[in-house]
Amino acid sequence: KAGVTQTPRYLIKTRGQQVTLSCSPISGHRSVSWYQQTPGQGLQFLFEYFSETQRNKGNFPGRFSGRQFSNSRSEMNVSTLELGDSALYLCASSLGPTLAGADTQYFGPGTRLTVL
Amino acid sequence: EDKVVQSPLSLVVHEGDTVTLNCSYEVTNFRSLLWYKQEKKAPTFLFMLTSSGIEKKSGRLSSILDKKELFSILNITATQTGDSAVYLCAVGPGSGGSNYKLTFGKGTLLTVNP
Repeated sequence: KAGVTQTPRYLIKTRGQQVTLSCSPISGHRSVSWYQQTPGQGLQFLFEYFSETQRNKGNFPGRFSGRQFSNSRSEMNVSTLELGDSALYLCASSLGPTLAGADTQYFGPGTRLTVL
Repeated sequence: EDKVVQSPLSLVVHEGDTVTLNCSYEVTNFRSLLWYKQEKKAPTFLFMLTSSGIEKKSGRLSSILDKKELFSILNITATQTGDSAVYLCAVGPGSGGSNYKLTFGKGTLLTVNP
């Protein structure tokens, strides 16, 4: 079974630009979560989607947004990029909340975003 | 606010040593605790624990959860250089499966020297 895929793997942007990251979950998984990982803060939860609905959101500004499509693929958008947005953005998929073992999240390889 | 604290933050051992990594947590409506291993790339899943006192084992790795004292340990016996990684602990709250998210600790950086 193919794992979680994320595109692009690397991205360099300048301050003020916007960026869209994509995540394709494991086949059959309906829940997609996004995390930001930085050396200082570790892994921080951004948001989680299930059945095209955002069910939970972390403590990030409104510049960070996302969506999920009917095939469970998800996109994350960051507008008006700041230097501090440089990070590894990880997507994780899981089956969903009502199935046994649904808590286990499987991570994609991440998108390394550098903001200059 | 949910909190996960891992200790030690870093650890250097020699091949063949046994290590114990710690994870304590404070979370609303605890449901599960997960351990991940992160090398250069994405975290890879190791264990999920939901019941207190039941050890999960996979090869040289094992983990146990104490829901009364709110902590978990991850043991690695006969360490190898390939065990060098950051080990992450995460907890999942929620009741009935709604509003689910994982809260991660900062991780323990394990370095195994030959």
